Amino acid sequence: QSALTQPASVSGSPGRSITISCSGTSSDVGTYDYVSWYQQHPGKAPLLLIFDVSKRPSGVSNRFSGSKSGNTASLTISGLQAEDAADYYCCSFGRGSTWVFGGGTKLTVL
Amino acid sequence: QVQLVQSGSELKKPGASVNVSCKASGNTFSRRYMHWVRQAPGQRLEWMGVIDPSGVSTIYAQRFQGRVTMTRATSTSTVYMELSSLKSEDTASYYCATEKEAVAGLVYWGQGTLVTVSS
Repeated sequence: QSALTQPASVSGSPGRSITISCSGTSSDVGTYDYVSWYQQHPGKAPLLLIFDVSKRPSGVSNRFSGSKSGNTASLTISGLQAEDAADYYCCSFGRGSTWVFGGGTKLTVL
Repeated sequence: QVQLVQSGSELKKPGASVNVSCKASGNTFSRRYMHWVRQAPGQRLEWMGVIDPSGVSTIYAQRFQGRVTMTRATSTSTVYMELSSLKSEDTASYYCATEKEAVAGLVYWGQGTLVTVSS
């Protein structure tokens, strides 16, 4: 199963919003509403931000939101803060009950 | 709350096998699906597979089928991931992770185990 497609990098200024896209296929993102998003700082384990396309686990800021249209999911971060600088990964449930991650996106806060 | 504690770093030669363990705290281990995810240096997260709560059923990513085996021991709340026929490209941090009730995402993660494959 091929990795989901994400932009390699995005950037934004503090206080602004950014959106990271995650493109899959009809075998994963397009069929299943089990898309999740993770934040990873260098040397750390990933942190779950979003599950089931748009739900937030308890304790995750409401500045993080998720959506999906067709084969593409998106993560939006509003009110950018310096500590949001990190790598972000999408993940989808797929055919054969497998999971697949995206290629990852490096967020730079200018 | 669940804590996952993994075994320590490993240095292996090409062609060898490695066995990484992950011990879970709490009394819900027997109900949890346990996943393994790896990350090569500077590279993306890569899902390797999952083992069901009973330990009877496993699902592996296609690229690891035939080389990976996931098992679990309920008595010690521990899951194991064995990867065989190691190559230099298998050098990575290996993470165990699990979901939470009503949350279809990997909420709890181990600290990672660095496996280095080098002659």
